[in-house]
Amino acid sequence: DAGVIQSPRHEVTEMGQEVTLRCKPISGHDYLFWYRQTMMRGLELLIYFNNNVPIDDSGMPEDRFSAKMPNASFSTLKIQPSEPRDSAVYFCASSLEVTEAFFGQGTRLTVV
Amino acid sequence: GQQVMQIPQYQHVQEGEDFTTYCNSSTTLSNIQWYKQRPGGHPVFLIQLVKSGEVKKQKRLTFQFGEAKKNSSLHITATQTTDVGTYFCAGAVAGNKLTFGGGTRVLVKP
Repeated sequence: DAGVIQSPRHEVTEMGQEVTLRCKPISGHDYLFWYRQTMMRGLELLIYFNNNVPIDDSGMPEDRFSAKMPNASFSTLKIQPSEPRDSAVYFCASSLEVTEAFFGQGTRLTVV
Repeated sequence: GQQVMQIPQYQHVQEGEDFTTYCNSSTTLSNIQWYKQRPGGHPVFLIQLVKSGEVKKQKRLTFQFGEAKKNSSLHITATQTTDVGTYFCAGAVAGNKLTFGGGTRVLVKP
């Protein structure tokens, strides 16, 4: 398996634009997580899914953030409208039941 | 909500020396996991501890889960330059929701 695949790897966008981050989890994994990493706040869990159903979205900072998982092999994290303070590295991770989480390479988002 | 704290935030270690990083949770955990993130990389799973008082070893790394399942430690012996990175603990209270600590950034002086 190629592991968790995220795209794009880097994204630079202007404030106010919509940003969509994509994730393909490892085949067969039933959990999918979206994390955000910044120097100030560390690694924060934004939302996680179990069998494509959102379980806990309490980490989603604002209504500007939304996440979907239409099927077992794809998830998106959308920010609309984006703001400079959204600049961070966004990681997607997947796991099989309550075991180790496999992280993707991350998407480095810069909002100018 | 649940909080996971790690100390120290930074650890400067002379190559060949030992060091320990500590993880404390505000709530009792069902399990704790440790991850390592190299500079510019992504977190990579190291180990999971589930039982009270559990101790696991991986070569020069020793992981321990406290008796009350609220704290954990990672001890590295004979530090090498390959140990450079940030070590995170992540605790789960229930289900599979992991709360990550702030991490300990390890710098090795040759």
